[in-house]
Amino acid sequence: SSELTQDPAVSVALGQTVRITCQGDSLRSFFASWYQQKPGQAPVLVIYAENIRPSGIADRFSGSSSGNTASLTITGAQAEDEADYYCNSRSGSYVIFGGGTKLTVL
Amino acid sequence: EVQLVESGGDLVQPGGSLRLSCVGSGFIFASFEMNWVRQAAGKGLEWVAHISGRSKTIYYSDSVKGRFTISRDNAKRSAYLQMNDLRAEDTALYYCAKDLRGPFDHWGRGTLVVVSS
Repeated sequence: SSELTQDPAVSVALGQTVRITCQGDSLRSFFASWYQQKPGQAPVLVIYAENIRPSGIADRFSGSSSGNTASLTITGAQAEDEADYYCNSRSGSYVIFGGGTKLTVL
Repeated sequence: EVQLVESGGDLVQPGGSLRLSCVGSGFIFASFEMNWVRQAAGKGLEWVAHISGRSKTIYYSDSVKGRFTISRDNAKRSAYLQMNDLRAEDTALYYCAKDLRGPFDHWGRGTLVVVSS
């Protein structure tokens, strides 16, 4: 199986824009999905198929992809966006998750 | 409203067995692939196993292959994870997740498995 690499921690000032990245060879063949997880809660899908938001997800969340890198962008970060963010994708018969990025909103 | 409810987590000794269950509602259970994902305390998400709607396709992570078995009973709207030969490193919160042919669009709240003597 392949790996997905994320920065362990990222910070953003309230109201500013932040990009969280995910790198891996599997992303050349498969879309990344992005999940938000707040302490004590289950993960929530926020972006899939590169840039589709499930119902109920704020439109400040967007996704993009280039080569082996997928990105989650939060435009105008809010205090409630402080959370862990995970990417995942398929890799052959496996499903792989990135190690997660802890987002701090300052 | 889609709901997934896991159960069956417990404290078990190393080498022991446990069977987790996940009951789904609010969607046509048989039409969707299901997965188990675990998360050790303070750690990231780790995919464990996948099963297709009719159980024809089953995949496991290398860390559990040969010890865990995923199954489902569509009539009971349930997915299961039979865990044998449990090890300390299997200690985690186990989530079941509905698969949208790629993304996991709904997750349960998890059931806690602790492997310790």
